[in-house]
Amino acid sequence: AQKITQTQPGMFVQEKEAVTLDCTYDTSDPSYGLFWYKQPSSGEMIFLIYQGSYDQQNATEGRYSLNFQKARKSANLVISASQLGDSAMYFCAMREGPGYSGAGSYQLTFGKGTKLSVIP
Amino acid sequence: NAGVTQTPKFRVLKTGQSMTLLCAQDMNHEYMYWYRQDPGMGLRLIHYSVGEGTTAKGEVPDGYNVSRLKKQNFLLGLESAAPSQTSVYFCASTWLGPYNEQFFGPGTRLTVL
Repeated sequence: AQKITQTQPGMFVQEKEAVTLDCTYDTSDPSYGLFWYKQPSSGEMIFLIYQGSYDQQNATEGRYSLNFQKARKSANLVISASQLGDSAMYFCAMREGPGYSGAGSYQLTFGKGTKLSVIP
Repeated sequence: NAGVTQTPKFRVLKTGQSMTLLCAQDMNHEYMYWYRQDPGMGLRLIHYSVGEGTTAKGEVPDGYNVSRLKKQNFLLGLESAAPSQTSVYFCASTWLGPYNEQFFGPGTRLTVL
């Protein structure tokens, strides 16, 4: 079974509108972290936002917020007020095991990504 | 700080040739990773290292070897390249920070003919 599932291969959004990119995950570890990365057409991987499994509040970073629903095992990325520069591939990723422990490998498992296109 | 750098940026190989991809980071990170990215597949972990002198296999290790002789460098080797290894290769590193987010290099585009 896939550990990270992104069901939307492609999405379109009108400039200045909000958009939600879906991500569901599968783990039996009670401690984990969820990440979103952006990959523009230039190819680099840009870290956007992080949510820890024990965090009580949804993470926010500027126009990015993470809608974390632990019981449903979903971690959707919400981009508010879309801009043309938001057009890119977006990847959801998971780290299983606690951070800070020094005992893990901190490896990430990535989803297959969602290609977001912002329409002027 | 340069962050994570990768050498080379592009390479074309013939089947059976060998090559080494170099990853360097100047952030004093303990953990380093090699991924490959293929269309529609996301990023898949090839090998990783939790510290100088240690390496371990990831999800897709076959056909690759790695070495971490110095903390700042992580080398990925292809002993006998195959067309199936045509891909974009990313190196990443992380530390024991609040998020453990991985910092990525710019990638190496490898074509095996």
